[in-house]
Amino acid sequence: TQLLEQSPQFLSIQEGENLTVYCNSSSVFSSLQWYRQEPGEGPVLLVTVVTGGEVKKLKRLTFQFGDARKDSSLHITAAQPGDTGLYLCAGALVGGTSYGKLTFGQGTILTVHP
Amino acid sequence: DAGVTQSPTHLIKTRGQQVTLRCSPKSGHDTVSWYQQALGQGPQFIFQYYEEEERQRGNFPDRFSGHQFPNYSSELNVNALLLGDSALYLCASSIRDTSNYGYTFGSGTRLTVV
Repeated sequence: TQLLEQSPQFLSIQEGENLTVYCNSSSVFSSLQWYRQEPGEGPVLLVTVVTGGEVKKLKRLTFQFGDARKDSSLHITAAQPGDTGLYLCAGALVGGTSYGKLTFGQGTILTVHP
Repeated sequence: DAGVTQSPTHLIKTRGQQVTLRCSPKSGHDTVSWYQQALGQGPQFIFQYYEEEERQRGNFPDRFSGHQFPNYSSELNVNALLLGDSALYLCASSIRDTSNYGYTFGSGTRLTVV
């Protein structure tokens, strides 16, 4: 059973469309991060959210952390071909001494067609 | 500012052999974590090193071992390689107290076991 469930697993859209990727869990996280990974490269951190209900914007990307800190979403407005990649959510569980032990979702492969 | 450096980038090994992967963290970072990423999946936590000691470990057998050196660089060793060990191995560095807020990943080592 995946601790962090991402959906959808695959997303193929046309340039200019909007999309949302979801990351859900039954566990509470002290923080949740979103990464983007391109083929042959490591994940690159996009944002970290730490407060329940928090919303962060990064240009055309909007990230939201659920009120109960169990879920998060990534919304992209007017997608561009350069947004193509693997999007990963990752969380640090509440409690213990889990400094930096991140649990990743299985990822969403986004393809934006020109 | 150099990010996380991993070597080698690609490696082909035979089943039963041993392999050592290397990582130099980002300047100023003191904590190194290793992740295994199978094709099309999210990274899985292997272990984390801080102050030259293994601090946390994921669900990996003791064939996987590591080391951190005084300059914070790290090695991942895998003994008795299995075909299922074929994956992208990612090194991530962070500052211990802010590890829950994001990593810097290297580009990874692609290990193929034949």
